[in-house]
Amino acid sequence: AQSVAQPEDQVNVAEGNPLTVKCTYSVSGNPYLFWYVQYPNRGLQFLLKYITGDNLVKGSYGFEAEFNKSQTSFHLKKPSALVSDSALYFCAVRDHGSGYALNFGKGTSLLVTP
Amino acid sequence: DAGVIQSPRHEVTEMGQEVTLRCKPISGHDYLFWYRQTMMRGLELLIYFNNNVPIDDSGMPEDRFSAKMPNASFSTLKIQPSEPRDSAVYFCASSLGLAADTQYFGPGTRLTVL
Repeated sequence: AQSVAQPEDQVNVAEGNPLTVKCTYSVSGNPYLFWYVQYPNRGLQFLLKYITGDNLVKGSYGFEAEFNKSQTSFHLKKPSALVSDSALYFCAVRDHGSGYALNFGKGTSLLVTP
Repeated sequence: DAGVIQSPRHEVTEMGQEVTLRCKPISGHDYLFWYRQTMMRGLELLIYFNNNVPIDDSGMPEDRFSAKMPNASFSTLKIQPSEPRDSAVYFCASSLGLAADTQYFGPGTRLTVL
């Protein structure tokens, strides 16, 4: 079985400050991990993914995420938040060899204040 | 590429009516996914297809829901009869043929059943 936990329903950060959105996962094998962002009344947009190799993954809009196997985490980060980063962020996992279905977390609402 | 296309964007119907949601995947993508998003349950995978063949429909809530993919460029999700608890945003996504490949989402159909 595979699952994802996003422990924070909401994250608040001031513009210009670093931001972190947390994600932990559970899989029986090796994971494929994804981050998506959803703006109001829009579909999910792909940000970045971890497949294998370098634990630090860089993605769109200045976001990055670090894969930590020992802590089974894949936290999303950005060095300097923008007000326009305010959105709903989803972490998702797929276990190698378990098919093509993605298991999504509940989502974390990020609010960046001016 | 135009991305994943869904229609209609909004649908309001009355309980008991038939509802048909439509999706055109990205050209060349072998996999097509239907998801449902609600506040209570988050993002749920309903069904996915590979090369027009349904692979996993274990997420389809009940027999009132059915999905088809008659060709590589078109899929439908039908609800008959519709109920108020079916109100949600329904997303279609598509991806290439590898498990590590990214799923790209359409803008969604917001369904309201009165």
